[in-house]
Amino acid sequence: GQNIDQPTEMTATEGAIVQINCTYQTSGFNGLFWYQQHAGEAPTFLSYNVLDGLEEKGRFSSFLSRSKGYSYLLLKELQMKDSASYLCAVRDNSNSGYALNFGKGTSLLVTP
Amino acid sequence: EPEVTQTPSHQVTQMGQEVILRCVPISNHLYFYWYRQILGQKVEFLVSFYNNEISEKSEIFDDQFSVERPDGSNFTLKIRSTKLEDSAMYFCASSVAGQGTPNYGYTFGSGTRLTVV
Repeated sequence: GQNIDQPTEMTATEGAIVQINCTYQTSGFNGLFWYQQHAGEAPTFLSYNVLDGLEEKGRFSSFLSRSKGYSYLLLKELQMKDSASYLCAVRDNSNSGYALNFGKGTSLLVTP
Repeated sequence: EPEVTQTPSHQVTQMGQEVILRCVPISNHLYFYWYRQILGQKVEFLVSFYNNEISEKSEIFDDQFSVERPDGSNFTLKIRSTKLEDSAMYFCASSVAGQGTPNYGYTFGSGTRLTVV
């Protein structure tokens, strides 16, 4: 099975930088995803890492260390609209159907 | 940008009744999924579907659940006899899967909120 841990809640100030961490345990790692989810809405794809290192995409970056079972999502120049839940999800290559296993999500509150 | 479409957006049903949740995946996607999210809890995998058959299912996906692709575009989730604990947001997703695809991430639909009373 998989165990995915991320902080429950975080608060940050508009314009600042915030880092959301995710640790995971899996028998056959095959990719890590970050999704954003606003309340009552569908998750929307933010980033994907399968190799170690940093992937940058505008204000969002995601980092992966497979040996440590660790990832983080970095959000720069925070905006009020970034207040949402951020979901870390891992795919395991033992899953023939490419299913994702989600963490419980980190609820980010951006304050003025 | 292509979308995954789900209908209805809200469904209220009485305990014991059958419900069918409908999804239209993105047309060139090959894998289809159902996930659910009970209010305040994490997104949970139910089932994946490829080449007209189930490729994987979770422990949640018991005999009360079934999926079908009745035609070339629709993908449905049926709950045969709903229970109170089936109340959740149900998300359909689709992906272009396979090795070599840059990220073969999912596109989620906007969900169906199912309330069992």
